[in-house]
Amino acid sequence: GESVGLHLPTLSVQEGDNSIINCAYSNSASDYFIWYKQESGKGPQFIIDIRSNMDKRQGQRVTVLLNKTVKHLSLQIAATQPGDSAVYFCAENNAGNMLTFGGGTRLMVKP
Amino acid sequence: ETGVTQSPTHLIKTRGQQVTLRCSSQSGHNTVSWYQQALGQGPQFIFQYYREEENGRGNFPPRFSGLQFPNYSSELNVNALELDDSALYLCASSLDRTAEAFFGQGTRLTVV
Repeated sequence: GESVGLHLPTLSVQEGDNSIINCAYSNSASDYFIWYKQESGKGPQFIIDIRSNMDKRQGQRVTVLLNKTVKHLSLQIAATQPGDSAVYFCAENNAGNMLTFGGGTRLMVKP
Repeated sequence: ETGVTQSPTHLIKTRGQQVTLRCSSQSGHNTVSWYQQALGQGPQFIFQYYREEENGRGNFPPRFSGLQFPNYSSELNVNALELDDSALYLCASSLDRTAEAFFGQGTRLTVV
């Protein structure tokens, strides 16, 4: 996975605003991507996934966009809530759940 | 709760020692993967076990080894511990190699 050193990029948003978290991937052959949420002291939790034959997928309050041309993923969270505060990772799933994770983004929600 | 449990929760070891971490997979899940997560970084894939056989391995040295038992629980063993082995070790289980993976809460290993 990619390393961003000891300091994660941080996104700070106001409660109720929309959040957009971005991720770049390196393997142009990747065909399955997953977003995970990791709260302090817990393991990563599945949020939403998308396959390479799609550009967009929506879940409950979350949307994932995939741009294969520039190898970029984004996670959009609508009406961000304090409970959304966590570290978010994108992961490539190319070989049977042997995941390659990105470096992560810390989301802080201000009340 | 994901139904995946790891033990112990925290562990402190001395450089050069050996450690065994344990993972109890969710009922019926035959695939277990292990990850190392250094502070401030994303998890890195160590290896995967499928039906008691190692199914794939990441870029980790041979002193990282594992086992999967007939009940599909798993162990991660690390020999000759180094300071850089300090990390959160995560296991994830899935119904098979294509189904959603569920993560445990991790074991925090500190090597001094």
